[in-house]
Amino acid sequence: RKEVEQDPGPFNVPEGATVAFNCTYSNSASQSFFWYRQDCRKEPKLLMSVYSSGNEDGRFTAQLNRASQYISLLIRDSKLSDSATYLCVVNRDNYGQNFVFGPGTRLSVLP
Amino acid sequence: DGGITQSPKYLFRKEGQNVTLSCEQNLNHDAMYWYRQDPGQGLRLIYYSQIVNDFQKGDIAEGYSVSREKKESFPLTVTSAQKNPTAFYLCASSIEAGFTDTQYFGPGTRLTVL
Repeated sequence: RKEVEQDPGPFNVPEGATVAFNCTYSNSASQSFFWYRQDCRKEPKLLMSVYSSGNEDGRFTAQLNRASQYISLLIRDSKLSDSATYLCVVNRDNYGQNFVFGPGTRLSVLP
Repeated sequence: DGGITQSPKYLFRKEGQNVTLSCEQNLNHDAMYWYRQDPGQGLRLIYYSQIVNDFQKGDIAEGYSVSREKKESFPLTVTSAQKNPTAFYLCASSIEAGFTDTQYFGPGTRLTVL
């Protein structure tokens, strides 16, 4: 089993739709969690950190369930510009060399 | 403008050649990392450096080498010993290696072996 697993995708949704991505991790000692966004043939960019209480940034909501070892990302009112691959990232501890990247879930928002 | 730069953007290598990928940052970050990305897979850590003149192997270091002579620079050499070097290579940095919560990535170098 991979340490970080994500919905395989791709997700094709119409503009304005709400879409949710799921991520599970196997290491119960993991300390911190992130969602990165990666556009085609570009570098990953931090979208948001995920806190235990859940957090929201505009149309994006991230939630963490430590008991189930599960992270989610909800995108409301999808825009064409949201089309990208979304990477779930887990830090095993608090050290930078222990980031574990999921394979990503690709989203295409259609007009 | 602060950030991470990588060069070249595209690199073609003949089998048996060594090539060096450049990574420079002006963010004054202590820690730097090299990752490799293959289609359908998550990023995998090749090498990391927590401080100048120190670096450690990551999960897939075989066939690669690095140096960290300056805080700003962390070049990666892909040697002829690397069996399958065609991939997208990403350099990243963070403020410090300990208790870090964010990594910032350069634009990447796409290496193709001919």
